[in-house]
Amino acid sequence: QVQLQESGPGLVKASGSLSLTCAVSGGSISSSHWWSWVRQPPGKGLEWIGEIYHSGSTNYNPSLRSRVTMSVDNSKNQFSLKLNSVTGADTAVYYCARLHCSSAGCGLFDYWGQGTLVTVSS
Amino acid sequence: DIQMTQSPSSLSASVGDRVTITCRASQSVSTYLNWYQQRPRRAPKLLISAASSLQSGVPSRFSGSGSGTDFTLTISSLQPEDFATYYCQESYSTPWTFGQGTKVDVK
Repeated sequence: QVQLQESGPGLVKASGSLSLTCAVSGGSISSSHWWSWVRQPPGKGLEWIGEIYHSGSTNYNPSLRSRVTMSVDNSKNQFSLKLNSVTGADTAVYYCARLHCSSAGCGLFDYWGQGTLVTVSS
Repeated sequence: DIQMTQSPSSLSASVGDRVTITCRASQSVSTYLNWYQQRPRRAPKLLISAASSLQSGVPSRFSGSGSGTDFTLTISSLQPEDFATYYCQESYSTPWTFGQGTKVDVK
């Protein structure tokens, strides 16, 4: 059973950077899956941030592309998110998730972390 | 980007009720449409993929249908554990997008 666990600061200052890590257990990050970040502002819906493959290839949401960097550490079986120039609008629960390819395409989120709340303070 | 629109945004229902949630895509996504359930303070859980394929372990009272731009999630007989928010999501093209959610609460 694949498990994902997010970690990182729960409070970030406005104009600073948000950095989170997702540790993967029960499976290899080098498997044939993409790994993703999704966020959810309090009381709102889900927004896809981007995805990364174990090779380091990435795809980002155009709405965040200028501020997002994702990286992968195959030796530690984990991947990371960095979001720059944060504002209050970036306050959200951040989830890491595994993407699965099936008859539903390759954008199927089949395993999720529990999520971590990041608050941007002014 | 493909826009996903769910209706209604919320609904009130009783245990045993039949519940139907609709999802409309701004362009055809074929059957590249998935449904998730999110309970309060929990991560989303995949219920249905490819518009109608029930995930392992998901009760058979859940079903999905549709293709192209119009999709439906049906709960045939609502159970207490089904009070939650439901999201549709297209897996046709990036950026992957979700509907705004449909909250099912107690009538």
